Amino acid sequence: NAGVTQTPKFQVLKTGQSMTLQCAQDMNHEYMSWYRQDPGMGLRLIHYSVGAGITDQGEVPNGYNVSRSTTEDFPLRLLSAAPSQTSVYFCASSYGAGGQYEQYFGPGTRLTVT
Amino acid sequence: GESVGLHLPTLSVQEGDNSIINCAYSNSASDYFIWYKQESGKGPQFIIDIRSNMDKRQGQRVTVLLNKTVKHLSLQIAATQPGDSAVYFCAENTYSSASKIIFGSGTRLSIRP
Repeated sequence: NAGVTQTPKFQVLKTGQSMTLQCAQDMNHEYMSWYRQDPGMGLRLIHYSVGAGITDQGEVPNGYNVSRSTTEDFPLRLLSAAPSQTSVYFCASSYGAGGQYEQYFGPGTRLTVT
Repeated sequence: GESVGLHLPTLSVQEGDNSIINCAYSNSASDYFIWYKQESGKGPQFIIDIRSNMDKRQGQRVTVLLNKTVKHLSLQIAATQPGDSAVYFCAENTYSSASKIIFGSGTRLSIRP
């Protein structure tokens, strides 16, 4: 199993540009989530999905969109990048609701917005 | 509001000694707690968890202690090794909000040879 994979590993955007961060898992997990991690801080939940076709907002959803068309994939879209979105983004999956089960994290995408 | 915090942002330990990383939480309704380890440049990795109906849980070289009276959580690492160098996060969750987990800001553990 590859586990949770994320692409790209690094990305630099200009303010106002849009992009999609890709996330895929091969463990047949129903629950997937996106977090951002800022320097010296813990992870904050952006969006999550409890299954294909079902998504919901986390703690910091503004400026991000998600969709879940398949069990395997959970892309995160930045609509109009802002410097405040400079961060490291982690995707995670788990067998059940992320807070009550072990989550498996991807390696992260380091995003810089200039 | 809800928060999960750590007493110390950094911890330096002699190789071979035991490490204790502490965490305070404020939501008395939290019923599930997890410790994650994050090595430099990698995503967090699950270490151990504990539910609120337990006070102690042991894994391989790690022990988590939960004191619900003072809302305190600790991670003990026995015989600390260089490979234990990382940032350690505690996290809490409530079954009624099972999809939303709150992470602490992390403690960096460094090992002295």
